[in-house]
Amino acid sequence: DAGVTQSPTHLIKTRGQHVTLRCSPISGHKSVSWYQQVLGQGPQFIFQYYEKEERGRGNFPDRFSARQFPNYSSELNVNALLLGDSALYLCASSKDYGGGKTQYFGPGTRLLVL
Amino acid sequence: GESVGLHLPTLSVQEGDNSIINCAYSNSASDYFIWYKQESGKGPQFIIDIRSNMDKRQGQRVTVLLNKTVKHLSLQIAATQPGDSAVYFCAEMGVNAGGTSYGKLTFGQGTILTVHP
Repeated sequence: DAGVTQSPTHLIKTRGQHVTLRCSPISGHKSVSWYQQVLGQGPQFIFQYYEKEERGRGNFPDRFSARQFPNYSSELNVNALLLGDSALYLCASSKDYGGGKTQYFGPGTRLLVL
Repeated sequence: GESVGLHLPTLSVQEGDNSIINCAYSNSASDYFIWYKQESGKGPQFIIDIRSNMDKRQGQRVTVLLNKTVKHLSLQIAATQPGDSAVYFCAEMGVNAGGTSYGKLTFGQGTILTVHP
């Protein structure tokens, strides 16, 4: 079975631009979460979606937004990119929403903002 | 605030030795803990999990121990192999509904494990 897939794998943008990252969860998983991982640190929670609704949001500015589609895939959007947005963006899926549900991660999208 | 931290940022072992990676957590409401392995250029890979009603859980070559009294978590890897070289993260999650932490994983800094042949 395919795991979590993300696209693109790498991306280079300039400050002020907008970016859209995509994620397809494991088949049968209904919840998708997004994390940002800066080099040398652990992943930081951005969003969790379940059944197309936002169920959790981390401490990120409003420039970050996301949505989930009826097929449970998800997009993460970042507007007005800053140099500090350069990071590995990880998508994780779980069968259901909530505590105690194992989250499985995709390979990530590496974003470089110049 | 809530945090999950690791005592040792790096660990070097010889192939065949047993490895122990430690993690301290500060949120007493944490009910679910996961260990992930992350190789260079890849996303975190699930290793093993444990719920707060357990003290120990074993997998293939790995054992996780949970000491709720001192809020400490450890990952033991038996007969460590060069392929085990990676960054290891512990993560915690609350299982109670309500609050922004529900369903959210909080990660520690990570421990770099290097296995020498």
